[in-house]
Amino acid sequence: GENVEQHPSTLSVQEGDSAVIKCTYSDSASNYFPWYKQELGKRPQLIIDIRSNVGEKKDQRIAVTLNKTAKHFSLHITETQPEDSAVYFCAASIGGSNYKLTFGKGTLLTVNP
Amino acid sequence: DAGVIQSPRHEVTEMGQEVTLRCKPISGHDYLFWYRQTMMRGLELLIYFNNNVPIDDSGMPEDRFSAKMPNASFSTLKIQPSEPRDSAVYFCASSSGAYGYEQYFGPGTRLTVT
Repeated sequence: GENVEQHPSTLSVQEGDSAVIKCTYSDSASNYFPWYKQELGKRPQLIIDIRSNVGEKKDQRIAVTLNKTAKHFSLHITETQPEDSAVYFCAASIGGSNYKLTFGKGTLLTVNP
Repeated sequence: DAGVIQSPRHEVTEMGQEVTLRCKPISGHDYLFWYRQTMMRGLELLIYFNNNVPIDDSGMPEDRFSAKMPNASFSTLKIQPSEPRDSAVYFCASSSGAYGYEQYFGPGTRLTVT
């Protein structure tokens, strides 16, 4: 079935460094790619999303890039801060619906002060 | 708006018992989703509704699981009978088709089946 692979599973960086998380997907019909941040014991919250007609999107220190030909997309966080520490999930829409999402397994990001 | 509301926040039950989880979506949202999160399987979509109608239930693990949405402001996920492997955090989320695809998650229900 359709799946999303996410790497790395854990990532540790120093405050101020950049962090990059990569995902690949298998469904050629995928059109919507959100990224969620989940702090320990909390709910997932959308931080940025991108649609298939766009190659890159940026929101302050966060950016997402999409390569539909290669079926991969990446999250870039610049100037990381301790409060960026959390689990980050990528997701891709599947089955031709932008509402049916399959999620990656998550990346635990730790930003060391 | 109060956001997506879920109850109970924690549920501990014994194997074989019926469990009912409840969700109130954000007012005006026409999509509602039920997810399950475990360490082993990650975040999985169980079922989703549009305008109170189930659209895709292919993620429901087995017949012990059922979900209903009797009106636009209420949905339930029922497990009968419950088993220890059902222990997980269950999230409800809602979305407005008119304003994009963002899904807003509720706080979740942590279910423990002993």
